[in-house]
Amino acid sequence: AQSVTQLDSQVPVFEEAPVELRCNYSSSVSVYLFWYVQYPNQGLQLLLKYLSGSTLVESINGFEAEFNKSQTSFHLRKPSVHISDTAEYFCAVSDTGGFKTIFGAGTRLFVKA
Amino acid sequence: EAGVTQFPSHSVIEKGQTVTLRCDPISGHDNLYWYRRVMGKEIKFLLHFVKESKQDESGMPNNRFLAERTGGTYSTLKVQPAELEDSGVYFCASSRGTPTNEKLFFGSGTQLSVL
Repeated sequence: AQSVTQLDSQVPVFEEAPVELRCNYSSSVSVYLFWYVQYPNQGLQLLLKYLSGSTLVESINGFEAEFNKSQTSFHLRKPSVHISDTAEYFCAVSDTGGFKTIFGAGTRLFVKA
Repeated sequence: EAGVTQFPSHSVIEKGQTVTLRCDPISGHDNLYWYRRVMGKEIKFLLHFVKESKQDESGMPNNRFLAERTGGTYSTLKVQPAELEDSGVYFCASSRGTPTNEKLFFGSGTQLSVL
């Protein structure tokens, strides 16, 4: 069975500092990996995804994540965060061709001025 | 393009009562999903519709939960009778194809509190 572990429930960080949100997954088959973001009072939105190819994937707002098969990780990073990045971030996995997406418990990112 | 809409946004009911949650997916999205998040834990899959058919309902907790998607459009999730442990945020999502090839669009969720 697939599972996702997000190692930090909350991450406070100052504006313009770098941040890393950690995610580890377990699966016995090839997987697709995702990061979703939920801003206050909104639904989840896809931030970025890894399907195949380059292990480093990027989003349009400066986040990036690297797929590491040997460590079964898909950590999310941003070199310089903004106040507007304050949100909850969910790591997720699905198997190839699957419709069922398995989510982690989420990491709340607080960006302070 | 309208997004996925869920009604109500909040519901407070007493144990033993019945509650019905509604989800209107994005027009043209054949795939509709229900998820639940309890007490800040992981978001758990409940079930998946393709048009009006239940494709996968492996995540439904028990027979107190009934999901329908009449005519392959909107969907309802009924909890009858509600128990305390049913409290949580219920999310609906829709997609054109598989979430790997097509984006999964989420509603804002229904916060259900069972007292």
